[in-house]
Amino acid sequence: AQRVTQPEKLLSVFKGAPVELKCNYSYSGSPELFWYVQYSRQRLQLLLRHISRESIKGFTADLNKGETSFHLKKPFAQEEDSAMYYCALSAMDSNYQLIWGAGTKLIIKP
Amino acid sequence: KAGVTQTPRYLIKTRGQQVTLSCSPISGHRSVSWYQQTPGQGLQFLFEYFSETQRNKGNFPGRFSGRQFSNSRSEMNVSTLELGDSALYLCASSFGLLGREIYEQYFGPGTRLTVT
Repeated sequence: AQRVTQPEKLLSVFKGAPVELKCNYSYSGSPELFWYVQYSRQRLQLLLRHISRESIKGFTADLNKGETSFHLKKPFAQEEDSAMYYCALSAMDSNYQLIWGAGTKLIIKP
Repeated sequence: KAGVTQTPRYLIKTRGQQVTLSCSPISGHRSVSWYQQTPGQGLQFLFEYFSETQRNKGNFPGRFSGRQFSNSRSEMNVSTLELGDSALYLCASSFGLLGREIYEQYFGPGTRLTVT
C-alpha cells in the first residue's frame, strides 16, 4: 500500500537559516507528489507539485526516486513561512486519491 | 472564480445526535473529497464523490456517510455522534478526471464540529 511519511512533527529554525522538510514515500510505481501548506487561520492550499518543477515562495522540492523522497527546501527561511506543511502522493493504485503524510509544523524563530 | 464553500462553519452537538455538513465545490469541479482533521491524527480521508458516485472511501465507520448531488454539491452526515467526532471537517474539490491528470485539490475553510 502507498504510504507517505513525514518524520518530523515539528521543525523550528531561525529566520535566514535553510529549511528542509522531509517527506518519504512508499510506492513502486511513478507517483505524483505534492506539498500543501496551511497557514494559521487559512485554508489548506497547494504549495507545489513535483511535475511542474517550479519554485513557489522560494520553496523547491525534487523527487528522488532512488531514495523515494520528496523533501521541501528553502535556502533562507522567513517568518511568514511558519505553517503546517503536508506532503501528499497521488497514484493510480489508489485511484488517484491523495495519500497524506501526518504533517510537519514549521516554526521560524526571529 | 469562487472557492470551495462549507456550511455551517461551526457546530455544537451533543452525543447521540446526528449532523449534516454541506460543501459547494468550485464551478466545474466534479470531485468532492471529505477529510477529518484533528491535532492528534492530522488529515484523515473520509470519502470522495465523483459524478454523484462514491469513488473512494477511507477507514471510517458506517456512521459517516455522504452523498453528492447533480450540481456536484456534497453533503456529509454523521449519525450517533461520539465525543471523538469533534474535529475540523474539510471538503476539497477537484476536476477529478481519471487518468494521469494532476489530482490537485482545492480546500474549503472547514466546519468545526464540537460534540459535548
